[in-house]
Amino acid sequence: GIQVEQSPPDLILQEGANSTLRCNFSDSVNNLQWFHQNPWGQLINLFYIPSGTKQNGRLSATTVATERYSLLYISSSQTTDSGVYFCAGSFSGGYNKLIFGAGTRLAVHP
Amino acid sequence: DAGVTQSPTHLIKTRGQQVTLRCSPKSGHDTVSWYQQALGQGPQFIFQYYEEEERQRGNFPDRFSGHQFPNYSSELNVNALLLGDSALYLCASSLEHSGANVLTFGAGSRLTVL
Repeated sequence: GIQVEQSPPDLILQEGANSTLRCNFSDSVNNLQWFHQNPWGQLINLFYIPSGTKQNGRLSATTVATERYSLLYISSSQTTDSGVYFCAGSFSGGYNKLIFGAGTRLAVHP
Repeated sequence: DAGVTQSPTHLIKTRGQQVTLRCSPKSGHDTVSWYQQALGQGPQFIFQYYEEEERQRGNFPDRFSGHQFPNYSSELNVNALLLGDSALYLCASSLEHSGANVLTFGAGSRLTVL
């Protein structure tokens, strides 16, 4: 079946550090999105990025659809960046169904 | 501009009972999707509603059913609850003709089955 694999599974950073989170998918993907889930469970949509690069403040994302991966960059991390980061996409035969990876759990310490 | 609202936020049920969860989509959105998130895992797609009909369904048994109302709000019903149904249930809304299936999630309903 379709697989969405995220790495690393866990990440611990000091405040101010930079990091790169990776998402690999096993098939051609549509609707690739990155989400941040805060400690209270709220999922926030960070990027809709089926291809190319986007930036929003300290965050940026790049998707290389032909090579079936996407990257999320966090620069100058802050404690409020802590939580779980998910990538998700839809695949052929299931345009409306987002398949999520298992997430990268990020802890940023002061 | 209200986002996606879900109710109740927390609830506890016993095995065999039935539960109904409610969702109001973000203003301007017309499509509602439901996801189940078990502890420590990513959300899993249950189904999506558009124009008051179930349009697509994930790998969930018929005990999971739903409804969408003319005002686009939605309900998720789970019958004959099992211990394994304990999870965070997330509702997400989107706009069908936006050209992209960009989801906005609610804060979720946390269900505990004892």
